[in-house]
Amino acid sequence: GNSVTQMEGPVTLSEEAFLTINCTYTATGYPSLFWYVQYPGEGLQLLLKATKADDKGSNKGFEATYRKETTSFHLEKGSVQVSDSAVYFCALSRVNNDMRFGAGTRLTVKP
Amino acid sequence: NAGVTQTPKFQVLKTGQSMTLQCAQDMNHNSMYWYRQDPGMGLRLIYYSASEGTTDKGEVPNGYNVSRLNKREFSLRLESAAPSQTSVYFCASSEATGPNYGYTFGSGTRLTVV
Repeated sequence: GNSVTQMEGPVTLSEEAFLTINCTYTATGYPSLFWYVQYPGEGLQLLLKATKADDKGSNKGFEATYRKETTSFHLEKGSVQVSDSAVYFCALSRVNNDMRFGAGTRLTVKP
Repeated sequence: NAGVTQTPKFQVLKTGQSMTLQCAQDMNHNSMYWYRQDPGMGLRLIYYSASEGTTDKGEVPNGYNVSRLNKREFSLRLESAAPSQTSVYFCASSEATGPNYGYTFGSGTRLTVV
């Protein structure tokens, strides 16, 4: 079935460090891919998405490229801030009403 | 700009009690969803409503019922709560069904069943 696997956390970085959170997927056909962010005590917020191979989603300095050949959608940011501390979820959607989420990766950024 | 509003934010139930979680969205979205979030397991879909007047089971529907009251509101009911239903529940909505639509989530209801 369709599923997402993302790197286990927690991830701890210093401010201004480079961030990569790995995400790979298994799906039939060509799913759409998403990254969501969850700040403490809040619901998930859509961070970025890509709907076809080689698309790059970007938002707030975060980027992810849909790589069909490696079935991956890794999240990157060049310089993280303390305010980026949150839990990040990779997700895919292949058919209607079937958004599948990874287990989440907790990021902590220290000053 | 309220988005998706869930009530209550916190609830403690005794085993066997019933309760209804409320969800309302003000974005004129057609589709609505209920998820539960458990540690290390991501989010799992309980029920969804593709459009007003329709509801369907998701991945983990046992022990729950839903009602799509109108286009704005989608409630989740636990008829006889069990400790295994201790979780954080999220309501979400999307403009329409289809793989390209992202979801907007509420802030969640933290439910403890003792």
